[in-house]
Amino acid sequence: GESVGLHLPTLSVQEGDNSIINCAYSNSASDYFIWYKQESGKGPQFIIDIRSNMDKRQGQRVTVLLNKTVKHLSLQIAATQPGDSAVYFCAENSGGGADGLTFGKGTHLIIQP
Amino acid sequence: DAGITQSPRYKITETGRQVTLMCHQTWSHSYMFWYRQDLGHGLRLIYYSAAADITDKGEVPDGYVVSRSKTENFPLTLESATRSQTSVYFCASSRQGGSTGELFFGEGSRLTVL
Repeated sequence: GESVGLHLPTLSVQEGDNSIINCAYSNSASDYFIWYKQESGKGPQFIIDIRSNMDKRQGQRVTVLLNKTVKHLSLQIAATQPGDSAVYFCAENSGGGADGLTFGKGTHLIIQP
Repeated sequence: DAGITQSPRYKITETGRQVTLMCHQTWSHSYMFWYRQDLGHGLRLIYYSAAADITDKGEVPDGYVVSRSKTENFPLTLESATRSQTSVYFCASSRQGGSTGELFFGEGSRLTVL
């Protein structure tokens, strides 16, 4: 099976609330992690990345947290907006080469008005 | 700023036919990738290329052929399409290689094999 997984396939949140999307990985050698957002009918778009020498990285309204002890990655979206509705994928560098990016199956984030 | 474009966006074909999906990028990125996306499997790498005339197999290469005669183009060919190849195909490009830097994805090509 895939080493990158997600705890919940669907997450429903109220508009304005914070969203937290979780991801577990199994390869302790992975040293680079990325979150992608995929809107319906479009290709995935880069959101934020983090390297294993960090445990937190912030972007605009998004924060990625990395807990290497339990091999867990999370994406936090502040003040969720309707435009945040999408499928979110985490990915890890598990092979070291150019092809070494493994994607999780994705979490569908639904925003309730 | 055209970025990365795929064609056709939608294609219906029959089992046994040859199909080519085109991918063109305007950034002169060294790396290009083809992924397929299926429900329950997420994105799986078919083939990738580190530079012109250099291609390598990914996780699921069987039944596919690629070429990269020019840096900007990376066509994917299904030589004899099968129903199991019904999927959404995404092309991507990257400056650094997919495992160390951001991938830029195209809009996808939805292929149905009857």
